[in-house]
Amino acid sequence: SAVISQKPSRDICQRGTSLTIQCQVDSQVTMMFWYRQQPGQSLTLIATANQGSEATYESGFVIDKFPISRPNLTFSTLTVSNMSPEDSSIYLCSVRWGQLNTGELFFGEGSRLTVL
Amino acid sequence: DAKTTQPNSMESNEEEPVHLPCNHSTISGTDYIHWYRQLPSQGPEYVIHGLTSNVNNRMASLAIAEDRKSSTLILHRATLRDAAVYYCILPPSGTSYGKLTFGQGTILTVHP
Repeated sequence: SAVISQKPSRDICQRGTSLTIQCQVDSQVTMMFWYRQQPGQSLTLIATANQGSEATYESGFVIDKFPISRPNLTFSTLTVSNMSPEDSSIYLCSVRWGQLNTGELFFGEGSRLTVL
Repeated sequence: DAKTTQPNSMESNEEEPVHLPCNHSTISGTDYIHWYRQLPSQGPEYVIHGLTSNVNNRMASLAIAEDRKSSTLILHRATLRDAAVYYCILPPSGTSYGKLTFGQGTILTVHP
């Protein structure tokens, strides 16, 4: 299994600022993902964090707004740039563990951002 | 991804069995059926997965219909800690695995 630590666990931010969320995994993992969960909603995949190359973003998400770094196989960061109240969400890091089609996804506890 | 349909909400009493249904009529032959749940204020956690045969683990059982167009997650004795949102997911295969698409899931309420 994999244990995932996210920082910060929560933060209150001002409109127009940026915040970087860190995700640390206790084991080396190939696939790492960032999700967003808006209030009262389900999870939406933002991007796949690729080690040593640019992240792969899902439709509706762009690098300028959500730059992602993945310097090694145990760590990734997600930055939420130029924040607005609509960015108030829980941001979750997850990793795939196990075989390609049957492995589990492990999730961090999430980072709850409130933008004023 | 193949689409899944789940009831919005279900209720149960503590220590009673709970059967959470999921319809996936467009499932392909190679699609695995995965279940995750999200407890309040936590990230989702894996529950169980299966392909064709019924599966059991310490958390739950998964009953898969013979035509694979539906499945049922079974919690044998619900506890208050089982109150969560339960997601039935058919992950994409191959290199896209891990890119889970979460629907709205089923909100399970467990009454003492």
